[in-house]
Amino acid sequence: GDSVTQMEGPVTLSEEAFLTINCTYTATGYPSLFWYVQYPGEGLQLLLKATKADDKGSNKGFEATYRKETTSFHLEKGSVQVSDSAVYFCALRVNSGGSNYKLTFGKGTLLTVNP
Amino acid sequence: DTAVSQTPKYLVTQMGNDKSIKCEQNLGHDTMYWYKQDSKKFLKIMFSYNNKELIINETVPNRFSPKSPDKAHLNLHINSLELGDSAVYFCASSQSGGTTEAFFGQGTRLTVV
Repeated sequence: GDSVTQMEGPVTLSEEAFLTINCTYTATGYPSLFWYVQYPGEGLQLLLKATKADDKGSNKGFEATYRKETTSFHLEKGSVQVSDSAVYFCALRVNSGGSNYKLTFGKGTLLTVNP
Repeated sequence: DTAVSQTPKYLVTQMGNDKSIKCEQNLGHDTMYWYKQDSKKFLKIMFSYNNKELIINETVPNRFSPKSPDKAHLNLHINSLELGDSAVYFCASSQSGGTTEAFFGQGTRLTVV
């Protein structure tokens, strides 16, 4: 079946530090890949996405590149801010047949950025 | 203008009760979902509807019954609530097609006491 594995948290960084959250996947078809962010007490928001191999998604200083050869979609940011503190979810979406498009999530990584 | 809205935001109820959570989307999407998020933040899909038809029904107790009166609404009814049902329930919607993202509601925090 389809699955997403992302690095265990929590991750604690100081402001302006470099961030990497690893994400790898297994999929039966050709997935689209996503990073979602969940701020405390809120729902999930799309952070960025990539729909084919070698695509780079980027938003708010975050980037991730779709690497088909390593089945990875690692999230990076060069300089984190306190406001980036949240839970980050890697996800994939693949057609399981007909109109069945299931979005499968990793377990989430809690990021805390200290001033 | 809220894209995916669910009500109520908080729900506290006693074991054995029956409750409903409502969800509406104004994005014109044809697919809607219910996800359950446990205390460790793990997200698991429960149901998916496409054009009012049930597409995905993961291993969910039959005490949970989704109902989609039209493409813009997907409600979740839960019978005989149990302590283990306590979680945050998220509604989401998307347009069918593998490249499009899902939009999520703000969540309903259900506490069963």
